Amino acid sequence: AQSVTQLDSQVPVFEEAPVELRCNYSSSVSVYLFWYVQYPNQGLQLLLKYLSGSTLVKGINGFEAEFNKSQTSFHLRKPSVHISDTAEYFCAVSDYSGGGADGLTFGKGTHLIIQP
Amino acid sequence: DGGITQSPKYLFRKEGQNVTLSCEQNLNHDAMYWYRQDPGQGLRLIYYSQIVNDFQKGDIAEGYSVSREKKESFPLTVTSAQKNPTAFYLCASSLRWIMNTEAFFGQGTRLTVV
Repeated sequence: AQSVTQLDSQVPVFEEAPVELRCNYSSSVSVYLFWYVQYPNQGLQLLLKYLSGSTLVKGINGFEAEFNKSQTSFHLRKPSVHISDTAEYFCAVSDYSGGGADGLTFGKGTHLIIQP
Repeated sequence: DGGITQSPKYLFRKEGQNVTLSCEQNLNHDAMYWYRQDPGQGLRLIYYSQIVNDFQKGDIAEGYSVSREKKESFPLTVTSAQKNPTAFYLCASSLRWIMNTEAFFGQGTRLTVV
């Protein structure tokens, strides 16, 4: 069974500072990894995804994430945050064993708070 | 514009009533999903459908029911058997069940029991 742990429920950061949101997953097979963003009272929007290939993945709004198989991590980073980045961020994993997929499992989310 | 539409945006339910949340997509996606979101708990899967006329229970299906009679529609009924229905409900779809494709989400329905 797959699971996702987002270690921080809230991350306060000053505007224009860098940020890293942590995500660790648990799965015994190959995985697909995703980061989604949710603005208040809205649905989720895909930021980026790792399917295969290069372990450094670039997404929208200047975000990037690095897949580390040995540490089973997929941390999200941005070198300089803006006030508009204030939102809830969700890491998600889907593993595919070849016999079928378990669908998409989400972490509990990290609330990114940008302080002026 | 292609997308996924949930209605209504806000819904109030009296104790003991069944209510149905609508989810429609025009993306020609095979797979559709219903998630429940509670503060600090992330998204939990209620039901999913890999293809029309088929659906499966997710992690928290008790007190909910769904149907998938048309490819573009996946309504969720919250029954009176659901003990704590107040939550934010999100519908999503993806091109196919095998999740190497992006899931597209609706704007959500906030259900409140009064």
